[in-house]
Amino acid sequence: DSGVTQTPKHLITATGQRVTLRCSPRSGDLSVYWYQQSLDQGLQFLIQYYNGEERAKGNILERFSAQQFPDLHSELNLSSLELGDSALYFCASSIKDGRERTDTQYFGPGTRLTVL
Amino acid sequence: LAKTTQPISMDSYEGQEVNITCSHNNIATNDYITWYQQFPSQGPRFIIQGYKTKVTNEVASLFIPADRKSSTLSLPRVSLSDTAVYYCLVGDLQNRDDKIIFGKGTRLHILP
Repeated sequence: DSGVTQTPKHLITATGQRVTLRCSPRSGDLSVYWYQQSLDQGLQFLIQYYNGEERAKGNILERFSAQQFPDLHSELNLSSLELGDSALYFCASSIKDGRERTDTQYFGPGTRLTVL
Repeated sequence: LAKTTQPISMDSYEGQEVNITCSHNNIATNDYITWYQQFPSQGPRFIIQGYKTKVTNEVASLFIPADRKSSTLSLPRVSLSDTAVYYCLVGDLQNRDDKIIFGKGTRLHILP
């Protein structure tokens, strides 16, 4: 158990819908990262927040957005869902802000999103 | 950002030492090398991180030659539970533009 929690575990929805995935980081961790993992694309970095502010952005679509709240939990919002958005979405947390050269990320169990 | 190349898959037997090599010919001066392990339907788990020479922890060793253009993750005396995907990452976490790329990893299958 990494100490990172994600809800829900599974989510099934239809194309065009909007969903929100939630992540609670490990106690004391200020950074939250979001990743998408689909079968053919591997693990793709989406976005990082540190202490409520966006720190780095990866290959996140404009239909996706995220935020980190004052209690440090984070939400990833996916809208206008397409079939290709079906994937495992992981959240990771770390104590560092991303400005150091070394870091360890602790991953949650993931949310499996199925878009029908 | 240094691109990494790893074997797609490897097989080994219980009790053997397994070495997985990652090539990163374009590694930059400030880049660190990190390895993660991922079991099916679970999030990746940090294994080891290093910059040069050799790093060892309770799980694995990481060998990095002087030119740093490759690195080798060494798993001693593997067991069936070491069957997983292993990812090599190279990057400078201080560089905000240096996006984190996991790639497709090496699928390690341990046989009895």
